[in-house]
Amino acid sequence: DGGITQSPKYLFRKEGQNVTLSCEQNLNHDAMYWYRQDPGQGLRLIYYSQIVNDFQKGDIAEGYSVSREKKESFPLTVTSAQKNPTAFYLCASSIPGVYATNEKLFFGSGTQLSVL
Amino acid sequence: GENVEQHPSTLSVQEGDSAVIKCTYSDSASNYFPWYKQELGKRPQLIIDIRSNVGEKKDQRIAVTLNKTAKHFSLHITETQPEDSAVYFCAASENFGNEKLTFGTGTRLTIIP
Repeated sequence: DGGITQSPKYLFRKEGQNVTLSCEQNLNHDAMYWYRQDPGQGLRLIYYSQIVNDFQKGDIAEGYSVSREKKESFPLTVTSAQKNPTAFYLCASSIPGVYATNEKLFFGSGTQLSVL
Repeated sequence: GENVEQHPSTLSVQEGDSAVIKCTYSDSASNYFPWYKQELGKRPQLIIDIRSNVGEKKDQRIAVTLNKTAKHFSLHITETQPEDSAVYFCAASENFGNEKLTFGTGTRLTIIP
């Protein structure tokens, strides 16, 4: 599936519950990203990681947490502090480019998170 | 931080005609500008990108132009086909800097047969 696997495809969260979205890649890419996609708002960066055991906040990190213990995996936890979590979440990875790590993004197929 | 504006939000074009999508950016330090295509129900895919050291790049029916002075860049699709129907996103980032891609809000392109 393009080397980047997101699971589950659909996820439902109850109020006050933390949920974790999985993202696994077998492309040997160093950098990985989480984006949130809302209708009419494009893609907004939540967190990104350029190397194992290191990650940086994106533009809308509040209410989310990540870990990068392995090169292949970059799970995203949507915490109860995220008051409007309903969205389509996209994970991506990128090969080290000639210039930077954010070129040539490869996206997963996404997870649709909804609140019950 | 960077702010990317994209216009129009929707665009309908007769098959065979050309389509143009425009984006402006705010951070003069941005120097990398990719375009992604997202077909309905599918993941975004990179279709073309340009760096600030060139003004134009072409790949078959797709071309991107960049005006650094005016801080805007455009996607041009010629001889449009039904399979060009999708949502297109522009993006900008500062390489060698924070390297965070900022995306535009997307353009839904519909090709009318």
